[in-house]
Amino acid sequence: GQQLNQSPQSMFIQEGEDVSMNCTSSSIFNTWLWYKQDPGEGPVLLIALYKAGELTSNGRLTAQFGITRKDSFLNISASIPSDVGIYFCAGPTYSGNTPLVFGKGTRLSVIA
Amino acid sequence: DSGVTQTPKHLITATGQRVTLRCSPRSGDLSVYWYQQSLDQGLQFLIQYYNGEERAKGNILERFSAQQFPDLHSELNLSSLELGDSALYFCASSADIGGGRSYNEQFFGPGTRLTVL
Repeated sequence: GQQLNQSPQSMFIQEGEDVSMNCTSSSIFNTWLWYKQDPGEGPVLLIALYKAGELTSNGRLTAQFGITRKDSFLNISASIPSDVGIYFCAGPTYSGNTPLVFGKGTRLSVIA
Repeated sequence: DSGVTQTPKHLITATGQRVTLRCSPRSGDLSVYWYQQSLDQGLQFLIQYYNGEERAKGNILERFSAQQFPDLHSELNLSSLELGDSALYFCASSADIGGGRSYNEQFFGPGTRLTVL
């Protein structure tokens, strides 16, 4: 089935630094979703991308839909302590029995 | 606040017992999804209901079952509980089915933390 690979698995950064993470697949996706999960909470939808090449921002977050439609990128600028959490990418599957497939997440830690 | 509510927030029970988790989707959303997340694990899709009918089934154990009621709230029933069932259980909802962009955007509730002792 379709799988999403996220990298890095985890990262430790200093407050104020910019962050980049990505999500790749061997299959084409028509939609990319980025979620953030705080510890013990439900994932929150950050950004949705629907068109190859699309670049969408949400505050300090910017996500891009890769031209090949097999990848997506999430950047966080000027990180702050509340950016700590797990970032998941997700995409819809049009076959099989799972409406959305999720990556395993990138765990972000911010050092003040 | 996503608009999806789940109760209870925490649940502690013993092996062999049966529990029911409840979810109310966002106003107007017809699809409800259930996920399991074990410690430091990803989100495992369990099952989806759309307007009262089962729509998709993931890796849901036979001991688990779900249903969606006419008012669109959903319940996940877990029976003959085992230690390994301890996890966070999330409900998510989305607007319509097929075609529209809103179908893909799932909004998650705060989860129910189940602890089986």
